[in-house]
Amino acid sequence: EAGVAQSPRYKIIEKRQSVAFWCNPISGHATLYWYQQILGQGPKLLIQFQNNGVVDDSQLPKDRFSAERLKGVDSTLKIQPAKLEDSAVYLCASSFWSQETQYFGPGTRLLVL
Amino acid sequence: DQQVKQNSPSLSVQEGRISILNCDYTNSMFDYFLWYKKYPAEGPTFLISISSIKDKNEDGRFTVFLNKSAKHLSLHIVPSQPGDSAVYFCAASVISFDKVIFGPGTSLSVIP
Repeated sequence: EAGVAQSPRYKIIEKRQSVAFWCNPISGHATLYWYQQILGQGPKLLIQFQNNGVVDDSQLPKDRFSAERLKGVDSTLKIQPAKLEDSAVYLCASSFWSQETQYFGPGTRLLVL
Repeated sequence: DQQVKQNSPSLSVQEGRISILNCDYTNSMFDYFLWYKKYPAEGPTFLISISSIKDKNEDGRFTVFLNKSAKHLSLHIVPSQPGDSAVYFCAASVISFDKVIFGPGTSLSVIP
């Protein structure tokens, strides 16, 4: 069974530029999560989808971050414009249903200069 | 406001000995606790969990203990192996709300 796929693996941009991350969850998983992990901290949930609907986006900085999961499968997370403090690893995870074990992708490491 | 705390950023243990990783939480509503393990350049992988109705859960070399009155849980690895060297995240949730809160992690080094 293929795991959660994410791309790109690394991205370096300058502040005020925009960037997008892509996630393909495990086949059949209805719930998809985006996390931000800043160095030295644990993953922090940004947004949770159940199929193509948003369940929780309370910690998503909506003035600059957006995410979508149009067909209930793949998802993209966008930052526009990026700030220095957005430098982090962005992790995508999926689970068969909410409250089930989450499976994480390898993450995208973002550096904002 | 850190609801899940792991006060030891790092831990070194000799191969074959016991590794004990500690975790404290502040939210008494948490009723489900998990440990994730993370290797460099990989995402976290689920290791073991425990519900608040239990005080111990065992899976092979890994045992998690929960002390609800102290709001404390610990992960024991016996015996420790070099392949256990990784960052371990403690996490907690309120099942009915689904959201998982992660601690900052403890980096474990098992020395051969």
